[in-house]
Amino acid sequence: GAVVSQHPSRVICKSGTSVKIECRSLDFQATTMFWYRQFPKQSLMLMATSNEGSKATYEQGVEKDKFLINHASLTLSTLTVTSAHPEDSSFYICSARQPGLARDNEQFFGPGTRLTVL
Amino acid sequence: DAKTTQPPSMDCAEGRAANLPCNHSTISGNEYVYWYRQIHSQGPQYIIHGLKNNETNEMASLIITEDRKSSTLILPHATLRDTAVYYCIVRVNNRAALIFGKGTTLSVSS
Repeated sequence: GAVVSQHPSRVICKSGTSVKIECRSLDFQATTMFWYRQFPKQSLMLMATSNEGSKATYEQGVEKDKFLINHASLTLSTLTVTSAHPEDSSFYICSARQPGLARDNEQFFGPGTRLTVL
Repeated sequence: DAKTTQPPSMDCAEGRAANLPCNHSTISGNEYVYWYRQIHSQGPQYIIHGLKNNETNEMASLIITEDRKSSTLILPHATLRDTAVYYCIVRVNNRAALIFGKGTTLSVSS
């Protein structure tokens, strides 16, 4: 299957700083990428949908000015958590769709990024 | 939006079959049933999906009832490495993203 990578896998930062997380589709071109957030013992929550070359669509309750998403190429999307605070500490997971598949809906998930804000 | 209902947890002995149920009574005719699992601190892993017919692959089997209101994921010979949270997802009509519910935590013990 297709591979999606994330970098970094783990990051610790101070409150008030910004953190950038990269999501790459390694062996396919992804026109659409998704960002999820997962708090301990909870399920994945969709944050936003990112289409290459256009603005991301954010889910209700997700601050677009705080979680900046850039999808500048077909293999890379970035999520920047601006002015991070301890409540932003979470497991961030990206996912990418591979167009052209018969089922046309398969999403491939990255391994996740553990963000800890001190 | 079609929603799913799964038991919060299940136990299974190693080597035995694990049967994970899922109710999706509001599923519409063109919506697929997907199963993913998430091992602790990893990204979700695709297992299997189906529309009407039963499906089998190298990981599992998916049994969908004739009325499509429920399904069962079967891991034929569970191992300790199958311990994970299993998510049954019905693709929300006209949305591209997979929306996750609470899933079932499967614990496989020796």
